[in-house]
Amino acid sequence: QKEVEQDPGPLSVPEGAIVSLNCTYSNSAFQYFMWYRQYSRKGPELLMYTYSSGNKEDGRFTAQVDKSSKYISLFIRDSQPSDSATYLCAMSAYSNYQLIWGAGTKLIIKP
Amino acid sequence: NAGVTQTPKFRVLKTGQSMTLLCAQDMNHEYMYWYRQDPGMGLRLIHYSVGEGTTAKGEVPDGYNVSRLKKQNFLLGLESAAPSQTSVYFCASRPDLTTEAFFGQGTRLTVV
Repeated sequence: QKEVEQDPGPLSVPEGAIVSLNCTYSNSAFQYFMWYRQYSRKGPELLMYTYSSGNKEDGRFTAQVDKSSKYISLFIRDSQPSDSATYLCAMSAYSNYQLIWGAGTKLIIKP
Repeated sequence: NAGVTQTPKFRVLKTGQSMTLLCAQDMNHEYMYWYRQDPGMGLRLIHYSVGEGTTAKGEVPDGYNVSRLKKQNFLLGLESAAPSQTSVYFCASRPDLTTEAFFGQGTRLTVV
């Protein structure tokens, strides 16, 4: 079993819908949680960063961390065709030099 | 501020040939990483470095070597390329263990 599980999709939704992307993990030592967005033929770019549990909001994007359930989520409100990309979750513990990655979810927003 | 720059962006190799991929960062980051990304496989760590002069193996190190002689540069070498090494390679850097990683734009390598 992988340390981080993420449904690869693709997830196809109509423009304007609320999108929910999720990752589950097994290592309770993880403290730092990230969501990256990757457009086709580009490098991943940080979208949201959260330390420990709780919510963080940035414009149309909200990141949630539930450490008790070992579950993180990214919500996208009022989704746009420009949000079509692959979304990767990543997490780490302070004692670990490596970031642990989900497989990425391909999101398609239909106009 | 260029961030993380990878050279080259594209390359086609014949089986058995060697090459070096260069990653350069101008942010004075301590930690640097080489990943490969294949369809449906996500990012897999090849090698990483925790500072100048250090290297360590990641998840899929076989067939690759690395060096970090200068803090700003992290080189990935393929001594004898194989078709299984056809992939997109990404370099990333982090200033410390509490922050996010910054990525280069990738090198698309095809081994024929």
